[in-house]
Amino acid sequence: AQSVTQPDIHITVSEGASLELRCNYSYGATPYLFWYVQSPGQGLQLLLKYFSGDTLVQGIKGFEAEFKRSQSSFNLRKPSVHWSDAAEYFCAVGTSNFGNEKLTFGTGTRLTIIP
Amino acid sequence: DGGITQSPKYLFRKEGQNVTLSCEQNLNHDAMYWYRQDPGQGLRLIYYSQIVNDFQKGDIAEGYSVSREKKESFPLTVTSAQKNPTAFYLCASSIDTTVNYGYTFGSGTRLTVV
Repeated sequence: AQSVTQPDIHITVSEGASLELRCNYSYGATPYLFWYVQSPGQGLQLLLKYFSGDTLVQGIKGFEAEFKRSQSSFNLRKPSVHWSDAAEYFCAVGTSNFGNEKLTFGTGTRLTIIP
Repeated sequence: DGGITQSPKYLFRKEGQNVTLSCEQNLNHDAMYWYRQDPGQGLRLIYYSQIVNDFQKGDIAEGYSVSREKKESFPLTVTSAQKNPTAFYLCASSIDTTVNYGYTFGSGTRLTVV
């Protein structure tokens, strides 16, 4: 079965430091991969997505992610975090089951920013 | 602006009551989804609909019901059979039945059983 693993439940980073959030997926075919961000009490906002082509994808708010097929990973990165980046981040994989396509989400990583 | 509207933002329910959560979209999207979010468990799919008058169960459909009488609307009813309904509920939509474009999410409804 398809699945997404986000190994880090909670990460704390100093403002201005670099960030990497990990995501590993399990899917037999070429995956469609997504990163979403959720502020407290709000819905999810799409940061970026990967379907094919260049394995390094750029998203909104200065985020990027790199698809590594050999490692089944799609890690999210940002070179310098801002206090406003504090939120919960979800990785998702697009899966297909008898023609019914839908997104399967990881359990999320909560990001705390310290001054 | 186009988007997804969920109402109400907060909802309180007494045990044994059914409640209905509203989800309306003006994006002209074909597919709509309901997710339940609990701390530490991510998003779990309750129901989804790829076309009007049709819907499928997701991973945790027991105790829930939906309807899709109009393209724009996909209400979720939490019935008294749902044993632990307190959670944050998110509605989403997508342009078509593929995952190519990802999903657009509403801002959620927090349901509390009192």
